[in-house]
Amino acid sequence: QVQLVQSGAEVKRPGASVKVSCKTSGYLFTDYQIHWVRQAPGQGLEWMGWINTNSGDTKFSQTFRGRVTMTRDPSISTAYMELSRVRSDDTAVYYCARGAVVFDIWGLGTLVTVSS
Amino acid sequence: EIVLTQSPGTLSLSPGDRATLSCRASQSVSSSFLAWYQQKPGQAPRLLIYGASNRATDIPDRFSGSGSGTDFTLTISRLEPEDFAVYYCQQYGGSLYTFGQGTKLEIK
Repeated sequence: QVQLVQSGAEVKRPGASVKVSCKTSGYLFTDYQIHWVRQAPGQGLEWMGWINTNSGDTKFSQTFRGRVTMTRDPSISTAYMELSRVRSDDTAVYYCARGAVVFDIWGLGTLVTVSS
Repeated sequence: EIVLTQSPGTLSLSPGDRATLSCRASQSVSSSFLAWYQQKPGQAPRLLIYGASNRATDIPDRFSGSGSGTDFTLTISRLEPEDFAVYYCQQYGGSLYTFGQGTKLEIK
């Protein structure tokens, strides 16, 4: 079955970078974009951006432009999201999701905690 | 950027009731690019409706979506206990995506 398996929880100091992985299985990796969505504690969903898993092209929300990098490795069907210069308000669960117009399959999420 | 505003923020109903959730866009959204998700505590969101009115795989027919332009609605015809959750609308336009702030459907 289709699965997106994310890397484990992270704790980071303010100013550091964090990189989250999303390993996919059960479908052809390059057939779908991978999106990243985050959710701060008790808050709603916030779309961060997406990567074209075929070309590597990316598109980011204005909120994250300049701080986020999205990459992929088709040889292992895995996408990555790296957020730099993290702050306390970046504490959130970060989800990867498969999709184009809509997000039909989601990973379980990766909790990133930013604390000094 | 298109802003989606959901109402009400919280909806208190009983099992068996009919639920009507609203999603209003700051500018016109193509119906093809409007979706609804359900999220339960501690879980990832689940796609319910795509293209404004099409149920996703394995979604019960008590869930229905409607609307066009700037006004969209998610209706749950008869609430089951497992339907109490948070619901988000989402749109796609110009390679950018946004979510509404969510409606919490709670048991009265």
